Amino acid sequence: AQTVTQSQPEMSVQEAETVTLSCTYDTSESDYYLFWYKQPPSRQMILVIRQEAYKQQNATENRFSVNFQKAAKSFSLKISDSQLGDAAMYFCAYRSAIRWNTGTASKLTFGTGTRLQVTL
Amino acid sequence: DAGVIQSPRHEVTEMGQEVTLRCKPISGHNSLFWYRQTMMRGLELLIYFNNNVPIDDSGMPEDRFSAKMPNASFSTLKIQPSEPRDSAVYFCASSFKGRGTEAFFGQGTRLTVV
Repeated sequence: AQTVTQSQPEMSVQEAETVTLSCTYDTSESDYYLFWYKQPPSRQMILVIRQEAYKQQNATENRFSVNFQKAAKSFSLKISDSQLGDAAMYFCAYRSAIRWNTGTASKLTFGTGTRLQVTL
Repeated sequence: DAGVIQSPRHEVTEMGQEVTLRCKPISGHNSLFWYRQTMMRGLELLIYFNNNVPIDDSGMPEDRFSAKMPNASFSTLKIQPSEPRDSAVYFCASSFKGRGTEAFFGQGTRLTVV
C-alpha cells in the first residue's frame, strides 16, 4: 500500500520570504501522480499543484513550485514570496496511474498535513 | 459548474440517531470519494466509487457506516446509529476518469454527535 509522510506538523514563514514543505512517499509503482492541496480555515480543499511521475521537469504554478526527486521518493513544495493568504494546512497526496487505461480512477492517499503560518 | 455540492454543511445530532450525508458530484465525473477529517487521524478515505460501483470500502470504520451511489449524480453516506466518536468533517470529492486529474472537493459536512 502506498503511504505519504509529511514530517513537519507546523511551519512558519515571514511574509515575502520563501518556505519549503516536505513530503515523502512510499510506492512500488513507477507511474503515478503527486499533488499538493491547500486547506484554508474555510476548510475548502484547493489543488495547488500537480506532478506526473513520468515527467522529470518540476511543476510550477506562479509562486508555487515543487522539487520532485523520484528516486528518493520526495516531493517538496516551495512557496516563494509568501503572502498572508498562504496561511493554511497543506496536504501532500499520491494517486496511482495504474488503472487509468481501464477508464477507472484510483484512490487519493493523503499525508497528515503541515500547518503553515505566515507572519508579518 | 457549481462544483461538488454537499449537504448539510453542519449537522448536530444525538447519539444513537441516524445521520445521512449527501453529495452531488461534478457532472461528468465518474469517480466519487468520501473522506473523514479529524484532528487525530487527519484525512481518511472511507470509500470510493467508480462508475457508481464501490471499489474500495476498506476505510469504512464499521458496520454502522454505509454508502450508496444510486446514480452518477448522487451519493449518500449514512451512519446508523451515530456515536460521539463519529464527530468529524466529512468530505465528498469527485474526479474525472482522465489521466492525472485531481479530485475536486465539496465544502464538507461538519458532524457533531452529542
